[in-house]
Amino acid sequence: NAGVTQTPKFRVLKTGQSMTLLCAQDMNHEYMYWYRQDPGMGLRLIHYSVGEGTTAKGEVPDGYNVSRLKKQNFLLGLESAAPSQTSVYFCASSYDTAARRNVYEQYFGPGTRLTVT
Amino acid sequence: GENVEQHPSTLSVQEGDSAVIKCTYSDSASNYFPWYKQELGKGPQLIIDIRSNVGEKKDQRIAVTLNKTAKHFSLHITETQPEDSAVYFCAAPSRGSARQLTFGSGTQLTVLP
Repeated sequence: NAGVTQTPKFRVLKTGQSMTLLCAQDMNHEYMYWYRQDPGMGLRLIHYSVGEGTTAKGEVPDGYNVSRLKKQNFLLGLESAAPSQTSVYFCASSYDTAARRNVYEQYFGPGTRLTVT
Repeated sequence: GENVEQHPSTLSVQEGDSAVIKCTYSDSASNYFPWYKQELGKGPQLIIDIRSNVGEKKDQRIAVTLNKTAKHFSLHITETQPEDSAVYFCAAPSRGSARQLTFGSGTQLTVLP
């Protein structure tokens, strides 16, 4: 199993440009999450999904949109990038209660380093 | 919502010494406390966790202790090795139904040879 994969690994955008980050997982997880990681601020939740076709806002959702059209994929979009969105973005996924596994254990992808100039 | 504070932000120890990282949380209803390790260029990975019905849990050289009264929990690494050098995050459940976690700000641990 590949686990959680993220595409691309690195990206440089100019202010105002748009892009989509792709997250894919092959563990049949119901829950998926997008975080951003900034120095000294830990991991902050942007958006999350509790299943195919559902999305919800996290702690820092402004400037981002998400979609979960397929269970295995979770897309994060930036419509008009700003320098404040320079960060490392992590996708994660976890089991739901029906799987009888630790529902709080989140499996993380390798991250996407985004720079907005 | 939950607030998690983590200290110290950086920690350097000599190889073979012990390292301790501490976290406090605000929500007395929280009942699950994981620790994640993030190696350079990788995503965080769960290394140990503890539930509120126990006070301590060990796994080889790492252990986690929990004090529910004081609302704090700690990660203990004994006999540190160079491969323990990484960023460590504590976390606690956020309020909500999506199994969300609130993470601490992270501790950069450096094990000096």
